[in-house]
Amino acid sequence: NAGVTQTPKFRILKIGQSMTLQCTQDMNHNYMYWYRQDPGMGLKLIYYSVGAGITDKGEVPNGYNVSRSTTEDFPLRLELAAPSQTSVYFCASSWTSGRYNEQFFGPGTRLTVL
Amino acid sequence: LAKTTQPISMDSYEGQEVNITCSHNNIATNDYITWYQQFPSQGPRFIIQGYKTKVTNEVASLFIPADRKSSTLSLPRVSLSDTAVYYCLVGDGNTGGFKTIFGAGTRLFVKA
Repeated sequence: NAGVTQTPKFRILKIGQSMTLQCTQDMNHNYMYWYRQDPGMGLKLIYYSVGAGITDKGEVPNGYNVSRSTTEDFPLRLELAAPSQTSVYFCASSWTSGRYNEQFFGPGTRLTVL
Repeated sequence: LAKTTQPISMDSYEGQEVNITCSHNNIATNDYITWYQQFPSQGPRFIIQGYKTKVTNEVASLFIPADRKSSTLSLPRVSLSDTAVYYCLVGDGNTGGFKTIFGAGTRLFVKA
């Protein structure tokens, strides 16, 4: 199993550009998450999904959109990139949402907006 | 969601036992306590989870007192490779576990 994979690993965007961060998991997990991590800080939840077709906002959703058309994929869309979105983005998945909620994380995408 | 408080950083030497304590005074009845480890340029990795008393696995032990207002992650005989950030999370064991919040964590630096 590859676990959680993310592409690209690095990206530089100009202000106002858009892009999609890809996330795929092969563990048949229902729950998937997108986090951002600013330098020296903890992770902040952007969006999460409890299953195909169901998504909801996390702590910092502004400027982002998600979709979940399949169990495996959970892409994160950035519209009109801003310097404040410079961060490392992590995708994660888990089997459950409650007890034994072990989240498996991808390697991250380092995004710089100039 | 219960807020957690951890030391910002800790130093240790190889071979020592390291105990990182997390405070969660407002923990709810259904909340579980989970610890993650994060190395530089990597995503966090699950270490251990518990509800009360003591939990032990091949990596660490988790001590939770009866009032559950704090918990202590114990790493036996640390090595240089244990240098990482450790996050304490508290989440609803029934429905809201996926909304757990990662604080700033504790930066552990292990010296030779």
